[in-house]
Amino acid sequence: GAGVSQTPSNKVTEKGKYVELRCDPISGHTALYWYRQSLGQGPEFLIYFQGTGAADDSGLPNDRFFAVRPEGSVSTLKIQRTERGDSAVYLCASSYRIAGGPTDTQYFGPGTRLTVL
Amino acid sequence: AQTVTQSQPEMSVQEAETVTLSCTYDTSESDYYLFWYKQPPSRQMILVIRQEAYKQQNATENRFSVNFQKAAKSFSLKISDSQLGDAAMYFCAYRSGGTGNQFYFGTGTSLTVIP
Repeated sequence: GAGVSQTPSNKVTEKGKYVELRCDPISGHTALYWYRQSLGQGPEFLIYFQGTGAADDSGLPNDRFFAVRPEGSVSTLKIQRTERGDSAVYLCASSYRIAGGPTDTQYFGPGTRLTVL
Repeated sequence: AQTVTQSQPEMSVQEAETVTLSCTYDTSESDYYLFWYKQPPSRQMILVIRQEAYKQQNATENRFSVNFQKAAKSFSLKISDSQLGDAAMYFCAYRSGGTGNQFYFGTGTSLTVIP
């Protein structure tokens, strides 16, 4: 598959538990983004990676949220001590970054629907 | 921060007819990009069309076109010859130019296509 993939597609957990959401970007895309989409809303930015480093994590709501991209490809979004308010669809996107310039159009994965009971 | 407003939570159109979805945005920047994404029930966000703010010519992709009014900060999407497969949520999005990377999305418009 040539698109962005995300696993799992659905995750149900209990309040207080730890979860990991995975994103496989399009091959060759150096930029990777995480968004959260609550019911009836548009996606909200969480964090952006350029290569292995988090270039902008200003959207992470609090320190329970953390994301890594150790080899510059696959990324994992980690949520500690989950709360019911964390229930949402978590979207991942990737894009190609023009050298020395802006990133190109973002291509999205199908998302992971997280439900915290 | 930039804001994107979609004032039509729901719209409907008869198959083969034309429909226009509205989007306005607020920014003090002069260099930016605007996008329309489609999100069907599968949740996959699909790029419909993009517009560079520095281009005066409105972008067109087959049956999809935009009316970009930079001074009014308006970016509407026109869908011609609507098809059943066009039914989805449509999101308008803004991205800063330069090295800006973050997308700002509107709240979406749900489009129903009536056979």
